[in-house]
Amino acid sequence: EAQVTQNPRYLITVTGKKLTVTCSQNMNHEYMSWYRQDPGLGLRQIYYSMNVEVTDKGDVPEGYKVSRKEKRNFPLILESPSPNQTSLYFCASSHPPGGGLRGNEQFFGPGTRLTVL
Amino acid sequence: KQEVTQIPAALSVPEGENLVLNCSFTDSAIYNLQWFRQDPGKGLTSLLLIQSSQREQTSGRLNASLDKSSGRSTLYIAASQPGDSATYLCADHTGNQFYFGTGTSLTVIP
Repeated sequence: EAQVTQNPRYLITVTGKKLTVTCSQNMNHEYMSWYRQDPGLGLRQIYYSMNVEVTDKGDVPEGYKVSRKEKRNFPLILESPSPNQTSLYFCASSHPPGGGLRGNEQFFGPGTRLTVL
Repeated sequence: KQEVTQIPAALSVPEGENLVLNCSFTDSAIYNLQWFRQDPGKGLTSLLLIQSSQREQTSGRLNASLDKSSGRSTLYIAASQPGDSATYLCADHTGNQFYFGTGTSLTVIP
């Protein structure tokens, strides 16, 4: 089954304790991205990756890191979480924008609800 | 930077009514526009994807249209049902990024 998986689904942590949220897709998509969803603000893109070893900042990258060492995986790292990073996080994947596969559909993971105390 | 707006923020209709949800965007150089459904506390379910070269897409009771020149897309839901109650999000694909509206929360009253 084609899917995007995220782990953990729920996480409660304390300020300053490093954490990683994993994301994996099995659709051989080149493009992957992370979003956070906050009430009244909608989904905002944190980081995206056009392909392996190629990552770029989205609209709200401060306080986050990502890496793309393999095509299927795109972990989100919070080196020193703060309470303002409490949010619902989504990973998504698709074929890349533009080029020969322009305009393809995004597939989303189930979300990770993070609470930072 | 692309800005996507969805109006109204909330909508309540009686069961059986046809309804239209609106999505507008500021930069018309989009690759595509995608409509999603989100149930409370859940993930996003893709409903329809319209490529920039298309005018509309249909799936069952749903029809989405796209007018790039005016920066608008609409999602038409025919014969609404209580099970359609959810938040509907639109997202466009511009440059290397995706931009989401804040959604329309739909309640269909039995």
